[in-house]
Amino acid sequence: GENVEQHPSTLSVQEGDSAVIKCTYSDSASNYFPWYKQELGKGPQLIIDIRSNVGEKKDQRIAVTLNKTAKHFSLHITETQPEDSAVYFCAATSSGGSYIPTFGRGTSLIVHP
Amino acid sequence: EAQVTQNPRYLITVTGKKLTVTCSQNMNHEYMSWYRQDPGLGLRQIYYSMNVEVTDKGDVPEGYKVSRKEKRNFPLILESPSPNQTSLYFCASSVTGYSGNTIYFGEGSWLTVV
Repeated sequence: GENVEQHPSTLSVQEGDSAVIKCTYSDSASNYFPWYKQELGKGPQLIIDIRSNVGEKKDQRIAVTLNKTAKHFSLHITETQPEDSAVYFCAATSSGGSYIPTFGRGTSLIVHP
Repeated sequence: EAQVTQNPRYLITVTGKKLTVTCSQNMNHEYMSWYRQDPGLGLRQIYYSMNVEVTDKGDVPEGYKVSRKEKRNFPLILESPSPNQTSLYFCASSVTGYSGNTIYFGEGSWLTVV
């Protein structure tokens, strides 16, 4: 089955800096890669996603890049703000069969004012 | 408002006392799922349901049961809870069970088994 590795487990940055979270996956059939943000006391919420036919996608201060050859994808947050502090999960899903996403173990991002 | 609602949000129970965590979604989604979240382990899927009366095991199904008699509801049953089931549980739903659909999560249920 699919295996998703996510790094780092904890990331501490100063407000205004950029933050990068990286994930690798093992199943070459995976074709959809969402990123979820979990704020304290809440459930994860989709913030951005990318499909395997696209190399990069941006939405304001966040962007995701995908390297299919190397089987890795990354979340980039620019001009970080304290409200970006949360746990971020990457996931990978396969094109075949049922939708059973495999999640990374999460990255706790702390943005210091 | 589109949402996934789970209850209770917080529960302390004793070993062996059966409990049910309810989950309901108002988006007419076919796919529903349960996850548990533990420190350092991320989100692990317990059970999922592709549609009414269709359920299947996820990665960590031992000690849990589910049923899907109605499209909107997907309760999680712990027949005989044990301390290793102390965790944060999330119910989730999606339009269908196929790749590319956004998963919507509930707010979570903190369960402590003593």
